[in-house]
Amino acid sequence: EPEVTQTPSHQVTQMGQEVILRCVPISNHLYFYWYRQILGQKVEFLVSFYNNEISEKSEIFDDQFSVERPDGSNFTLKIRSTKLEDSAMYFCASRGQGGEQYFGPGTRLTVT
Amino acid sequence: DQQVKQNSPSLSVQEGRISILNCDYTNSMFDYFLWYKKYPAEGPTFLISISSIKDKNEDGRFTVFLNKSAKHLSLHIVPSQPGDSAVYFCAASEGAGGTSYGKLTFGQGTILTVHP
Repeated sequence: EPEVTQTPSHQVTQMGQEVILRCVPISNHLYFYWYRQILGQKVEFLVSFYNNEISEKSEIFDDQFSVERPDGSNFTLKIRSTKLEDSAMYFCASRGQGGEQYFGPGTRLTVT
Repeated sequence: DQQVKQNSPSLSVQEGRISILNCDYTNSMFDYFLWYKKYPAEGPTFLISISSIKDKNEDGRFTVFLNKSAKHLSLHIVPSQPGDSAVYFCAASEGAGGTSYGKLTFGQGTILTVHP
């Protein structure tokens, strides 16, 4: 069964450093998403991506964040200068023409 | 922002009985609703969904009911099994099908424990 994969599973970084989180969506999907979940809080939408451009972003997704689909398979989230409050689980999701989104296992980002 | 609310943080059920998880929403623009199951240190797993043009959708042991006038949906699991123990999230979207972009708004989750 096709699945969304994410690497790394855990990333530890120092405040101010850049991090890139990687995702491989399901191959025939067209819509891609990043969400995050801070410990003890809701899963929150960050950004959606379609046709090689951002289609929608939340207030959280400020200038420190960027997304890219550098080739036909990878979808990345970059945080340019990490802050302590960026510590969270980051989930990638993808969907085809239907409404359901399929999530990856997540990357736990710890900013120290 | 409390557009999607799951008011019960936890639910405990005996194996074989019915589990009923509830979700309320406030945004009348939501037209597609989903339930996800999540284990610790894993991503949400899609369970079942329902469009606003329906009031019920069934898939095996899982049934989702939608009451648009009350802005309420529920997930029924019958019969409940110990392996169903997990966190269950309700999520909603505006125009999730076709060419709509369909960002999901999640509830806080309900921890379901099914006792043998």
